[in-house]
Amino acid sequence: QKEVEQDPGPLSVPEGAIVSLNCTYSNSAFQYFMWYRQYSRKGPELLMYTYSSGNKEDGRFTAQVDKSSKYISLFIRDSQPSDSATYLCAMEGGSYIPTFGRGTSLIVHP
Amino acid sequence: DAGVTQSPTHLIKTRGQQVTLRCSPISGHKSVSWYQQVLGQGPQFIFQYYEKEERGRGNFPDRFSARQFPNYSSELNVNALLLGDSALYLCASSFGTGNTEAFFGQGTRLTVV
Repeated sequence: QKEVEQDPGPLSVPEGAIVSLNCTYSNSAFQYFMWYRQYSRKGPELLMYTYSSGNKEDGRFTAQVDKSSKYISLFIRDSQPSDSATYLCAMEGGSYIPTFGRGTSLIVHP
Repeated sequence: DAGVTQSPTHLIKTRGQQVTLRCSPISGHKSVSWYQQVLGQGPQFIFQYYEKEERGRGNFPDRFSARQFPNYSSELNVNALLLGDSALYLCASSFGTGNTEAFFGQGTRLTVV
């Protein structure tokens, strides 16, 4: 079992839909949880990060962490075609070594 | 403001050769991390350097090495290239030792033939 599991998709939604992206993990030492967006042939771009459990909102994006279930989510409201990309979750504990999921490919069609 | 810059952007090498990849961090950032991203997978951590010292090492063979210079730029070296080393190599910089607010460069796409 991988430390971080993420469904590769693709996830196809119509413009304006609410998108839910998820990751599960097995290492209870993870305390920092990050979400990155990666366009084709580009480097990942940090969207947001959270520490421990709880929610964090930034514009159309909301990140949720449930440490008791070892489950994290990223919600995108009012999705746009420009949101079409691969979304990577990443996690880090005390070792400063982040572990990434394999990414979920999101397609938002007009 | 200049972001993280990596060079070269693309590279083709032959099995057994050696390669050096370069990274310049965001101004003021003292930490540089290197990642390998194989197609269809997430980035895998290779090294982190902070203030010119190695702070973390991922599960990669000794053929992989890196260093950080006084101006905080960094080089990643890979010796005795294998076909399986073909990947996108990413550099990320951050101000401190944590990776929660790391900024990535565009990467160097290495193809080994």
